[in-house]
Amino acid sequence: EPEVTQTPSHQVTQMGQEVILRCVPISNHLYFYWYRQILGQKVEFLVSFYNNEISEKSEIFDDQFSVERPDGSNFTLKIRSTKLEDSAMYFCASSLQGTPLHFGNGTRLTVT
Amino acid sequence: AQSVSQHNHHVILSEAASLELGCNYSYGGTVNLFWYVQYPGQHLQLLLKYFSGDPLVKGIKGFEAEFIKSKFSFNLRKPSVQWSDTAEYFCAAGRSNDYKLSFGAGTTVTVRA
Repeated sequence: EPEVTQTPSHQVTQMGQEVILRCVPISNHLYFYWYRQILGQKVEFLVSFYNNEISEKSEIFDDQFSVERPDGSNFTLKIRSTKLEDSAMYFCASSLQGTPLHFGNGTRLTVT
Repeated sequence: AQSVSQHNHHVILSEAASLELGCNYSYGGTVNLFWYVQYPGQHLQLLLKYFSGDPLVKGIKGFEAEFIKSKFSFNLRKPSVQWSDTAEYFCAAGRSNDYKLSFGAGTTVTVRA
C-alpha cells in the first residue's frame, strides 16, 4: 500500500535556526497537509495545500512558516526561525478529494 | 467552534476484554468522522470512517464505530482486544468537502497479556 514518507524522523535544531521538514505524499494525491502534535496535546491542523497554493491555514501557521511543493513529488514545511515552542511532532498528510487523509510517520522536531 | 472530545485519557485492559472509547464532536451540519490509530513508533493509520449511510461502521482489525447523530457521538468499539491493540487512538472530525480535521486529545490503550 502506498505511504506518505517523511524525513528526517528526528530533527534537533537550535532556537533561531531555519528547518525544513520534508514529505513525499502518495503519488496520485492532490491535497497536502501539515499537522503537528505538541507533546501531550492534540493533533493540530497547520495548513492545507492544493493546486500549488495554500487553501487554508490555521492561526498557528504564521509568517515564520511556509510550505512548498518544489517538484512533482516533495512537499516541504519550512520554519524560518525556530522557537522553543515549535518543538513538536509534525505530520504530513495527503488525500484525494473525497477520501480520508493518509498520514506519514511524522518528524519529531526538538528546538533547544 | 468545532471541536472533538475523547472521554478517556488512558484505558488499561486485559486481553479478550471489550473496548469502547468515547468520542463526541461539536459540528453543525454534515460531518465526516474518523478514528485513527497510532501504534508505538508508527504513523497515524485510518481505522475507519463515516461519511454517510449506515451509522454502524466496520473498520480494520475488528474495530467498529457507531454514529449517533442525536448524541453527537462516534464511539469506537472492539469486542475482544489483543495485546497488539496497544496504541493511541484518535477521533477526528471534519466538515464534508473540508479536509481540515479536528482531532480529539487521544486515548492511550494499554492491553495487558
